[in-house]
Amino acid sequence: ETGVTQTPRHLVMGMTNKKSLKCEQHLGHNAMYWYKQSAKKPLELMFVYNFKEQTENNSVPSRFSPECPNSSHLFLHLHTLQPEDSALYLCASSQDMFSGNTIYFGEGSWLTVV
Amino acid sequence: QQQVKQSPQSLIVQKGGISIINCAYENTAFDYFPWYQQFPGKGPALLIAIRPDVSEKKEGRFTISFNKSAKQFSLHIMDSQPGDSATYFCAASRGTSGSRLTFGEGTQLTVNP
Repeated sequence: ETGVTQTPRHLVMGMTNKKSLKCEQHLGHNAMYWYKQSAKKPLELMFVYNFKEQTENNSVPSRFSPECPNSSHLFLHLHTLQPEDSALYLCASSQDMFSGNTIYFGEGSWLTVV
Repeated sequence: QQQVKQSPQSLIVQKGGISIINCAYENTAFDYFPWYQQFPGKGPALLIAIRPDVSEKKEGRFTISFNKSAKQFSLHIMDSQPGDSATYFCAASRGTSGSRLTFGEGTQLTVNP
């Protein structure tokens, strides 16, 4: 049973829709992440939050908008997406931002943009 | 810019054989090198990790070999089992950037019975 829970697991949305992905971690961690996983490509880091503060935005288009209301919850708000945004979106968490801390991933949200 | 290059892209091994996956990195500031295992429909999970002050780390059937001068590290799976069939990712990070991992492209391992 993963300590990082993502909902929904599958999402199909039109290019004009607005939807959100939700992530909750039950591990007492202080850092949370959004990664994008596309076929045949490395996992791409999108956003990093540390103690609810955004510390990194990896040149992500503004149609992706993250929100971190507290250290346990992370959202990814989606609007006017493109078909090439279809991918597996992974949420992850770690104790803090120091290198060497294990990063725990959720099972991901499969997003299809039609 | 791909800072961690992983090969092969796919690998087929017979049960009981040795699976070897290689990674090369560019940034000499990297100081933490984990391997993640991902089964279909699941998120990646940490398998084993190494720091550059040692050349080898072994956990059960899984071994990381690290060559600092060549900037390469590899995962060896001894006595490979069908249950090891998964996608394996190498990654690297550096202390000053915290837990920010740079991943390789992944290797899809199939172990035939």
